[in-house]
Formats: sequence, C-alpha cells, structure tokens
Amino acid sequence: GQQLNQSPQSMFIQEGEDVSMNCTSSSIFNTWLWYKQDPGEGPVLLIALYKAGELTSNGRLTAQFGITRKDSFLNISASIPSDVGIYFCAGQQLGSGNTGKLIFGQGTTLQVKP
Amino acid sequence: ETGVTQSPTHLIKTRGQQVTLRCSSQSGHNTVSWYQQALGQGPQFIFQYYREEENGRGNFPPRFSGLQFPNYSSELNVNALELDDSALYLCASTSTGRHATNEQFFGPGTRLTVL
Repeated sequence: GQQLNQSPQSMFIQEGEDVSMNCTSSSIFNTWLWYKQDPGEGPVLLIALYKAGELTSNGRLTAQFGITRKDSFLNISASIPSDVGIYFCAGQQLGSGNTGKLIFGQGTTLQVKP
Repeated sequence: ETGVTQSPTHLIKTRGQQVTLRCSSQSGHNTVSWYQQALGQGPQFIFQYYREEENGRGNFPPRFSGLQFPNYSSELNVNALELDDSALYLCASTSTGRHATNEQFFGPGTRLTVL
C-alpha cells in the first residue's frame, strides 16, 4: 500500500534533548497530521496542520506543513521519558471524490534514556 | 465526550474462518474509517463508511466488507481468513458534512491473530 517516507526510522536520545523527524511525499496533501502510538494502543492525534507553511505548537511539540504541501516535520523539545513511543505522520487529501483517507508514514520509534 | 471504542480487544482465529470486528464512533462523529496495521508498519486504509454506505476503499480484496448502522457504529467483516490478515485493526471516526473536521480519532484497536 501507499506510504509516506518518514525519517528517521528510530531514535535513541538522552532525556532533555530535542528531537526532529520529518515526512515526505510525492503527492500533495491538504492536511498533515501527526500521531503518537504506544504499544498495544491506537494512534493518538498530536497536531493537525491545514495550510501550507503553517507552524503549530502543542506544548513541547511543534509541527510544520511544508510550503510545497509534500512534506511536514515534527519537533519535540526537551524530551522526557514519557515521549517514548512510535510517531506517525499522515497525509490527507480532501475535496470532491476524496474520502479523506489517511496515508501514513512508516513511523519513527523514539526511545529516551533518563 | 465518549471516545472511539472497539471490540473485542484480542481475537484468535484459524485460516478459512470468518471474523467480525466492531467499532463505536466518538459522539458527534458520523463517519468511520477502518485501517489495518501490520507489525512494524503504519496503518493502511481499508474503507470508510458514511451515511451507512461505503465511501471509498483501499487496496483490499472483497472478502473485507463492512457495515455502518444508524447510530454510526460500524462492523468490519473478514471472510476466508488468511495468515497475512494477522494485524491490529483500527477504527477511526470523524465528522463529515457541514461541521466537518479533518481530524480522525482512533480507537484502541483489535489485535487479530490468524493461525
């Protein structure tokens, strides 16, 4: 199935460090969303982006919708142990003829060393 | 506000059997999408239901089918189970229409194991 290119695949960082991950696509999307998934759970929505160039924050998380509408990045500042999990980007195409289905990246696994 | 719920949480079946998974959408949401998440992968779109009809389908065979009920809850049915159907099945709800939001909220998933 179709997937976005998400990198890095995994990260192992020290508590307090900043984290950056990104997602690219060959297709244009109307919306970019970032989710976090813990083991055995469903993805939890972190940030939704609706306009090219938009920069949105949610606490220590900041995400941007790329100008070309083909990419997005997520930054986590001052990481803490509870940031551990798998982060997914998802692109969405809306409008006539589109269901608004989400196309996901492969995920970035984040581990934080106390 | 009640979130998305799914049942059962875990299920073990054998090849060739049939399975039904259930989802209750978040209150106020009228659209349900189903996704399959294989181990180590991102979720893959199966199909979406809106107004009790299928409203788009991903690259899944016809043995994957669904229903949506008047209360917006939904079922995913899989016939003739294959080993590769083993995965986490996720349901996501959103609102479509005049007060639409683009955001999809996921349930905890049903872990299906096919032996």
